[in-house]
Amino acid sequence: QQQVKQSPQSLIVQKGGISIINCAYENTAFDYFPWYQQFPGKGPALLIAIRPDVSEKKEGRFTISFNKSAKQFSLHIMDSQPGDSATYFCAALSSNTGKLIFGQGTTLQVKP
Amino acid sequence: ETGVTQTPRHLVMGMTNKKSLKCEQHLGHNAMYWYKQSAKKPLELMFVYNFKEQTENNSVPSRFSPECPNSSHLFLHLHTLQPEDSALYLCASSRILANTGELFFGEGSRLTVL
Repeated sequence: QQQVKQSPQSLIVQKGGISIINCAYENTAFDYFPWYQQFPGKGPALLIAIRPDVSEKKEGRFTISFNKSAKQFSLHIMDSQPGDSATYFCAALSSNTGKLIFGQGTTLQVKP
Repeated sequence: ETGVTQTPRHLVMGMTNKKSLKCEQHLGHNAMYWYKQSAKKPLELMFVYNFKEQTENNSVPSRFSPECPNSSHLFLHLHTLQPEDSALYLCASSRILANTGELFFGEGSRLTVL
């Protein structure tokens, strides 16, 4: 059972463009939504995260938008750069169970 | 440098071999994890250890055998694997995950089963 659905599977964006990755979840017990970034040959690393009491969180060029009623959240990368080329995973955590569920990942390529 | 070190980085083994993957964390965390990463699939949680005690086994075949001698070290013993077990095996550590929500991953061990 896929509890966190992520799309698209892959994304190609021109330098300077906006990259958008979407995730949807089913379990209303989830209360923490992190995004992880993974470069080739490296392990995933926490990029940015949001709790459901806010609708948006911004850190530099990275923004999470959160829609609690629709059970959806998305990552926006503004002014995308070739150095942003990586695989991005959304995830959802239930603090009651301590279980972190990952989406399938999105491979982003930013063309110069 | 994430503070989580995995060895070996690459491993090729036959189906009848026995090998082990090692993970060490220098972050003072109390929880350690093994994940399997295959192409186009979500990260699959395999095992969780909290304070050296196994708290989760996510229906992993017995040909994978974890060992956690202390809170800083985690092993994954491999025997009679199948070609479909070829994947990137990631180790991670954390404080109490329910509180922090953050995992610290190693760079992974790329396993190829011939």
